[in-house]
Amino acid sequence: QSVLTQPPSVSGAPGQRVTISCTGSSSIGAGYDVHWYQQLPGSAPTLLIYDNNNRPSGVPDRFSGSKSGTSASLAITGLQAEDEADYYCQSYDSSLSVVVFGGGTKLTVL
Amino acid sequence: QVQLQESGPGLVKPSQTLSLTCSVSGGSMTSPNYYWSWIRQHPGKGLEWIGYIYDSGSSYHNPSFKSRVTISVDTSKNQYSLKLTSVNAADTAIYYCARHGDWDGGFDPWGQGTLVTVSS
Repeated sequence: QSVLTQPPSVSGAPGQRVTISCTGSSSIGAGYDVHWYQQLPGSAPTLLIYDNNNRPSGVPDRFSGSKSGTSASLAITGLQAEDEADYYCQSYDSSLSVVVFGGGTKLTVL
Repeated sequence: QVQLQESGPGLVKPSQTLSLTCSVSGGSMTSPNYYWSWIRQHPGKGLEWIGYIYDSGSSYHNPSFKSRVTISVDTSKNQYSLKLTSVNAADTAIYYCARHGDWDGGFDPWGQGTLVTVSS
């Protein structure tokens, strides 16, 4: 069981907006930054959002991140078929003294 | 740009030691302010951070692995390595190496990953 809690799955139609939540009291709630990854089938994860709300070069602005209290969210607007992937959040857990990942959320584009 | 590539045996027998190497190209591991991690993913499951090395030799690993993990670096080869002792079937996973800019920073880039199966 992950220290960071994500919904197992979300779905949306092309063009729609979806959000993925990530909750952790001793990590996000303790003030640590959150990072998000996209993992396409058969590939390694790639950094999508770093330090809560920053996009690496090359990541479309359809992807955005936010953080408030004990939760963080990844929002994807203008959903496209190629966005179908697994998404993971990552932070640091102060009670365990480890880098932690959420359990992952599978995004299905209907 | 920096690229990472894992290498090592794809099959390890139970109770033996898993040994993997991450080769770094396009940049030097001695560049300051970078951490170099190992992360694994059980088949069809989520990600688990194993540990990191930094500052050309200091390391820290996930306490859940107890004393089974050793992470070392060979700066002359621009490589770092993972050794995981006393493996069992639960250690079967895809192992990734990845760089991060701070101990709690985002991982970027990642290697492509290498599947290690523990089986007799």
